[in-house]
Amino acid sequence: GENVEQHPSTLSVQEGDSAVIKCTYSDSASNYFPWYKQELGKRPQLIIDIRSNVGEKKDQRIAVTLNKTAKHFSLHITETQPEDSAVYFCAASIRIQGAQKLVFGQGTRLTINP
Amino acid sequence: DSGVTQTPKHLITATGQRVTLRCSPRSGDLSVYWYQQSLDQGLQFLIQYYNGEERAKGNILERFSAQQFPDLHSELNLSSLELGDSALYFCASRGTGSYGYTFGSGTRLTVV
Repeated sequence: GENVEQHPSTLSVQEGDSAVIKCTYSDSASNYFPWYKQELGKRPQLIIDIRSNVGEKKDQRIAVTLNKTAKHFSLHITETQPEDSAVYFCAASIRIQGAQKLVFGQGTRLTINP
Repeated sequence: DSGVTQTPKHLITATGQRVTLRCSPRSGDLSVYWYQQSLDQGLQFLIQYYNGEERAKGNILERFSAQQFPDLHSELNLSSLELGDSALYFCASRGTGSYGYTFGSGTRLTVV
């Protein structure tokens, strides 16, 4: 089946603290897991992604971890700043009808409190 | 600018009408995906085209249809519009051999 669950739906943290968003997926054949950031009224933008052959990837204050056995992956943002406030979507790639597509989680609204 | 162009940016129309949303993918990208995002909701997959052919369908209503033209631009046609069709409609493109999607800025459709 194709399903991506994302938690929490809302997250509020103090500026400077860390934020963690978690996703689980159902298709064991999924091999690509991107994270998108969407600011209000704007397009989703890719911020980091990970392939199934690695367990962790880091880019400055952002990191993603993947546990293929448990079928879950997480986004970690350290030293949060006000500009990190946005909706974050995880996604997992699946193949359906011979075509590759991304299935998105329902999103997490992250608010950074100054 | 992401390289994916969507027009128009905003559209206001009445119930029962028909509209066409247009998407031009990034140069060289053969795959085009359409997603619907209702207020405070996630991204719902509608349909995918690859090099002019339909490749996958998601939760697309029968009142909706799409196509991809030889120049690779795509159009999403929405007919017999209902209030519940009000949403942001995003197009995304993907290059061959690439996994990541690049989204356009979206078309905000308001049905009144």
